[in-house]
Amino acid sequence: AQSVTQPDIHITVSEGASLELRCNYSYGATPYLFWYVQSPGQGLQLLLKYFSGDTLVQGIKGFEAEFKRSQSSFNLRKPSVHWSDAAEYFCAVGPFNYGQNFVFGPGTRLSVLP
Amino acid sequence: EPEVTQTPSHQVTQMGQEVILRCVPISNHLYFYWYRQILGQKVEFLVSFYNNEISEKSEIFDDQFSVERPDGSNFTLKIRSTKLEDSAMYFCASSESAYEQFFGPGTRLTVL
Repeated sequence: AQSVTQPDIHITVSEGASLELRCNYSYGATPYLFWYVQSPGQGLQLLLKYFSGDTLVQGIKGFEAEFKRSQSSFNLRKPSVHWSDAAEYFCAVGPFNYGQNFVFGPGTRLSVLP
Repeated sequence: EPEVTQTPSHQVTQMGQEVILRCVPISNHLYFYWYRQILGQKVEFLVSFYNNEISEKSEIFDDQFSVERPDGSNFTLKIRSTKLEDSAMYFCASSESAYEQFFGPGTRLTVL
């Protein structure tokens, strides 16, 4: 079965520091890959996506992610974190067949210290 | 920019009551989905809907749940007899191409 893991449940960084959130997936082929951000009590906002082509993708709010096929990873990065980046981050993969659902990782909660 | 909308933003109900959660997908989208997120947990797939029928559903989507697209613009999720464990945030999503889903802001359901 397809699965998504986000090894870090909670990460704390200082404002201005760099950030990397990890995501690994289990699937027989290259899936479509997504990162979403959820602020407390809010919905899911798409940060970026990877379908094919250049393995380094740029997203909104200064985020980028790199797809590494050999490691089945799609890690999210930001060079300088802002206090407003504190939120829950979800990696998602799919759909595995036309019209099927996404599979979400468990999420990583990001806290930002002033 | 078009977006998925959901109403209400928060629904409080008594256990055993029926609730209907409403979604207005993006107008030219063809694929519709419901997900739920129990507080502090990950987002879980419930059901997908295409061409006026369910295309896939998860184990969570049992006989207490149903979906409908009653008028060509709304997409609803009905829970017939709510249980305490149905308390969660429910997200609607829609897709034009089936490869990228756009999520609504969610409805927080609280079952007392």
